[in-house]
Formats: sequence, C-alpha cells, structure tokens
Amino acid sequence: EVQLVESGGGLVKPGGSLRLSCAASGFTFSSYSMNWVRQAPGKGLEWVSSISSSSRYIYYRDSVKGRFTISRDNAKSSLYLQMNSLRAEDTAVYYCGREVGTGSYIEHWGQGTLVTVS
Amino acid sequence: EVVMTQSPATLSVSPGERGTLSCRASQSVSSDLAWYQQKPGQAPRLLIYDASTRATGVPARFSASGSGTEFTLTISSLQSEDFAVYYCQQYGNWPPKTFGQGTKVEIK
Repeated sequence: EVQLVESGGGLVKPGGSLRLSCAASGFTFSSYSMNWVRQAPGKGLEWVSSISSSSRYIYYRDSVKGRFTISRDNAKSSLYLQMNSLRAEDTAVYYCGREVGTGSYIEHWGQGTLVTVS
Repeated sequence: EVVMTQSPATLSVSPGERGTLSCRASQSVSSDLAWYQQKPGQAPRLLIYDASTRATGVPARFSASGSGTEFTLTISSLQSEDFAVYYCQQYGNWPPKTFGQGTKVEIK
C-alpha cells in the first residue's frame, strides 16, 4: 500500500524557515516524480513544486521561487521542502503527492502537515 | 498560466439525483485534466485522469468527458458519501499545474 507521511509543520514567525519532510513507503520511490501542493485554510488547492525521479527536473510556482527548495533522498525514500523567508500567505496545509509519469496528475496524496506563519 | 474555472461554486443536489460539474480552461490543455474529490479534514482523492479515465476503485457512477478547454464531471446518482468538494486540475500546460477553485456538492 502506498503511504506518504508528511512532517515538519508548525508555527513560525514571518521571515522564518521550516523544513517539511515526506516519508514514502509501499512503492519504489526512486521511480516517481513527486509534488508539494498546499491548501490555505478554507481555500482551494495550489500546486507548489515538483521534482523528477532523479532530481534532474525541478519546478516551482512563481510565488515561492527563490524562497522554497524541493529535494529528495531516494536512498531514504524521502521528499523535502525547505521553506525560507516565510510569509503569512504561505500559511497552509502542505501535501506531498506522488505523480504518475512526469508532468501529470497526482495519484496518491499524504494527509498533510500544517504550516502557520504568524 | 492556465486559469481553471469551475462552475457552479456550489451544487445542491438531492440523494439519488444526477449532478453535473463543469471546468473550463483559459487555453487548451488537450485531455490533460484530472478531477479530485476532497472531504472535510481529508486529503484530496484522485477520481479521474486524462479527462475521462476513472482511477482505481472509483465507482462507475462517476464519469467525465471533455477536451481542449471544456470538461465535465457527472455523478449519475449521488450517494451520501459523494457530498464533498471537487477540484479539476490541468497538467497539459505547466508549470504551474493549476487547479480550479472547487465545486462544493451539498445535500439539497
């Protein structure tokens, strides 16, 4: 069974940093592209970043470029999101998601971790 | 950026009735469109990919169609567990991958 478990969320002051982790199990992590998607309280879904299986291809939404860094450790089956210079508008539940192929939809989602910038 | 617009914002339907949700893209995304269901306090769940293919385990009462800029999700006979928020997402022209704002399906 595919499992994605996020951790690392919490309360941080504006301008602060946080590192999210996503532990994957139940599949060959190194074969899949991965994503971070966020959801502000009471709002819709917003794609944040994607990373290919080998980390060769990395993409970000404009509003987080230069502040967030996505990475992965295939040996540890883990996905990360380093978030710096956090703003109030980054407050959201952050989900990690496993993609099918490259540049496609998210087939499996974690339960999310809440980041509050205040 | 491709803007995804869903309508209506809220759909009020009685159990057993048919519900039809729409999603429009600001430019063509071919058939690179997915639909997700999200219940309160839960992560999204993939329902449909490639515009019309049901994901594993999704009941046959969910069907979808469309290509280019116009897409539709139909729930043929709404069950109690179907009342949720539904999002469309395009992956045909990215980054960024973009989601619609969601349609809430509520009990009439």
